[in-house]
Amino acid sequence: GENVEQHPSTLSVQEGDSAVIKCTYSDSASNYFPWYKQELGKRPQLIIDIRSNVGEKKDQRIAVTLNKTAKHFSLHITETQPEDSAVYFCAARPNTGTASKLTFGTGTRLQVTL
Amino acid sequence: NAGVMQNPRHLVRRRGQEARLRCSPMKGHSHVYWYRQLPEEGLKFMVYLQKENIIDESGMPKERFSAEFPKEGPSILRIQQVVRGDSAAYFCASSQDRSYGYTFGSGTRLTVV
Repeated sequence: GENVEQHPSTLSVQEGDSAVIKCTYSDSASNYFPWYKQELGKRPQLIIDIRSNVGEKKDQRIAVTLNKTAKHFSLHITETQPEDSAVYFCAARPNTGTASKLTFGTGTRLQVTL
Repeated sequence: NAGVMQNPRHLVRRRGQEARLRCSPMKGHSHVYWYRQLPEEGLKFMVYLQKENIIDESGMPKERFSAEFPKEGPSILRIQQVVRGDSAAYFCASSQDRSYGYTFGSGTRLTVV
């Protein structure tokens, strides 16, 4: 099955700096890569996703890039703000047979300091 | 649209009791997924269901755990004879179909004492 690795496990940046979180996946059949943000005690919320037919997607301060050849994808947050502090999870999903479940990375705790 | 509804939000059970966790998917969503999250850890897949069918239960422990998604009513995750190690947050998610992303519920935090 799919295996997703995520780095770093913790990341501390100063307000206004950029943050980058990287993930790799193992199943070349994976074609959908969402990112979720989870604040303390809350539900994971989808913040951006990308499908394998594009290499990059942007939404205001957030962007995701995908390298299918290397099987890795990254989340980029620019001009970070204190409210960006949370745990971020990447995920991957193959589109084969019944394997439509998302496999999550282990999470990155992002701390944005003033 | 009320989103994915899970109840109860918090559940305390003594060792050996049964825990029943409920999940009502978003309107129009027929795919339901259950994940378990231990403190400071990631989301571990448990089971994927569609109405009246278990599609993938590869993440479910073989004993004590079961799930259903009946034709009418919410999806139920049942844990029999709970042990301390079952203490975790259990999240349900739903999607419109296999090609869409998930919407998560607020989770049920199970504490076994």
